Amino acid sequence: DAGVTQSPTHLIKTRGQQVTLRCSPKSGHDTVSWYQQALGQGPQFIFQYYEEEERQRGNFPDRFSGHQFPNYSSELNVNALLLGDSALYLCASSLYRSSYNEQFFGPGTRLTVL
Amino acid sequence: SQQGEEDPQALSIQEGENATMNCSYKTSINNLQWYRQNSGRGLVHLILIRSNEREKHSGRLRVTLDTSKKSSSLLITASRAADTASYFCATALSGGYQKVTFGTGTKLQVIP
Repeated sequence: DAGVTQSPTHLIKTRGQQVTLRCSPKSGHDTVSWYQQALGQGPQFIFQYYEEEERQRGNFPDRFSGHQFPNYSSELNVNALLLGDSALYLCASSLYRSSYNEQFFGPGTRLTVL
Repeated sequence: SQQGEEDPQALSIQEGENATMNCSYKTSINNLQWYRQNSGRGLVHLILIRSNEREKHSGRLRVTLDTSKKSSSLLITASRAADTASYFCATALSGGYQKVTFGTGTKLQVIP
């Protein structure tokens, strides 16, 4: 049973560029959440996707957008990259109808913006 | 903004000792979860405690929850060097459509 997978593992971009990160949820899960984790901080919620729609959003600008596909996998897109976007981006999957929202995390994508 | 605040921010103990980490949060919750993160990689779910529970055990882990004080503690007994990691508490308001909000984390070092 495959867990949550993310690609790529590492990514280096320059300011102003655009980036796409990918996530495949754990088998049987239908909900994907994205988090940004700056060095030394806890993960910050970006948004959550279920049934191909954004259901919840954290305090992130519109430069951060996402998509969920019919197979439940998801993409996170960040436009006009800033130095401050350098972080570990974590994807978590869960079951929407779960009462307790236990989330399973992928290994993350380390994004460096130069 | 972070919902939870862990205390202490960093903890260093000898192997075999117990480690206790505390978490305080601000709003009413449905459940509280503890996660472990090794070397800035993905988070591993350790334990979930529901708002109507006061204590829960899983192996060497013991979690308590005091909803009147809006606080939780994680106790790791008989620590091992492999327990060295950052530990985060996370709160959820209700079901899957609610986001999980993480605290700031406690960095635990277990010295062999």
